[in-house]
Amino acid sequence: AQKITQTQPGMFVQEKEAVTLDCTYDTSDQSYGLFWYKQPSSGEMIFLIYQGSYDEQNATEGRYSLNFQKARKSANLVISASQLGDSAMYFCAMRGVGGSYIPTFGRGTSLIVHP
Amino acid sequence: GAGVSQTPSNKVTEKGKYVELRCDPISGHTALYWYRQSLGQGPEFLIYFQGTGAADDSGLPNDRFFAVRPEGSVSTLKIQRTERGDSAVYLCASSATGEYGYTFGSGTRLTVV
Repeated sequence: AQKITQTQPGMFVQEKEAVTLDCTYDTSDQSYGLFWYKQPSSGEMIFLIYQGSYDEQNATEGRYSLNFQKARKSANLVISASQLGDSAMYFCAMRGVGGSYIPTFGRGTSLIVHP
Repeated sequence: GAGVSQTPSNKVTEKGKYVELRCDPISGHTALYWYRQSLGQGPEFLIYFQGTGAADDSGLPNDRFFAVRPEGSVSTLKIQRTERGDSAVYLCASSATGEYGYTFGSGTRLTVV
């Protein structure tokens, strides 16, 4: 079974500063993938970044980077230079192997960016 | 289509009624997933289709919930004898390979009164 834990229900950050959203995971699979999604108040889930368990380098996508620490089973999202439009819910997710690739999601972290 | 389309966007129904929620995935995506998201929670897996068949329905909470995908594209989630606890946002996602790159629809907000 897979489990995703996001311990920060809410985070606040000043515009233009960086923020780290925490995510830890638990799985017995050797091969897996980790994702972050953004969900603004409109409700749609927007894919941000993906990290494969065998990728040696941390994934980066523009202002988003994933701080992957495999031994600690953590996959924190770092948002650099926060913008007001970054205010949203953020969900960490993982998918295992076995052909189904069904993603399991955490409970999410609410991020509010202050001007 | 360009994205995953879910209809209706909002549905209000009376307790005990039957509802159908529709998902139109991205053309060519063989994998389709249904999730339910309650207020303040992350999406919870309901059912996964690979093509026309339900490859994993382990997340369906009980036999009131059923989903079909008869032609391997559009899927319908069906809920019988709705209960107030069924109120949630129902999300659909599709993927070409299932490995990564899941695209979500905007969801259907179901309210059972």
